[in-house]
Amino acid sequence: GEDVEQSLFLSVREGDSSVINCTYTDSSSTYLYWYKQEPGAGLQLLTYIFSNMDMKQDQRLTVLLNKKDKHLSLRIADTQTGDSAIYFCAICPSGGSYIPTFGRGTSLIVHP
Amino acid sequence: GAGVSQSPSNKVTEKGKDVELRCDPISGHTALYWYRQSLGQGLEFLIYFQGNSAPDKSGLPSDRFSAERTGGSVSTLTIQRTQQEDSAVYLCASSSRVPLGYTFGSGTRLTVV
Repeated sequence: GEDVEQSLFLSVREGDSSVINCTYTDSSSTYLYWYKQEPGAGLQLLTYIFSNMDMKQDQRLTVLLNKKDKHLSLRIADTQTGDSAIYFCAICPSGGSYIPTFGRGTSLIVHP
Repeated sequence: GAGVSQSPSNKVTEKGKDVELRCDPISGHTALYWYRQSLGQGLEFLIYFQGNSAPDKSGLPSDRFSAERTGGSVSTLTIQRTQQEDSAVYLCASSSRVPLGYTFGSGTRLTVV
């Protein structure tokens, strides 16, 4: 099955850019997502990208997809303390089952 | 409804008891998923319902776990003879047939003592 890897922690200074990385194994993945989880809450969809795209930008968020290297990244510009949370990438295969596989999550810590 | 609703939000149960967790998905969403999130771990897939098709139960960890979805809407996850290793947050999500994102509930935190 699909294997999705993320680094567990990222610490950045307020105002800097954050880059959260994700690698996956299934080259047929069709839909790729980034989710945010704040303490005690469920997962909130931040953005998604289709496999036929290389980049997607949405306000402070930029998603880059490198299909050759099976690498997905999320860049948060001008990171704020309110961005502190766990960020999950999720990969959905093609083939119709649409069951996403999630990474273990990257804990983003933003300090003043 | 406006979002995915899960109940209860917290459940403490004694080892060996049965528990039922409920998920009310977004109206019109044909797909429903159950995941388990243990402390410091990612999301572990449990079961997937899509419309009237047979559910994909490939993620259920043992035969103590079962789930059903009545009328294509509300789903119940049942854990029989709970064990301490079942302690986790159980998350439910729903989506349309082609998933432009999954909407998650806030989860049920299950503690087995």
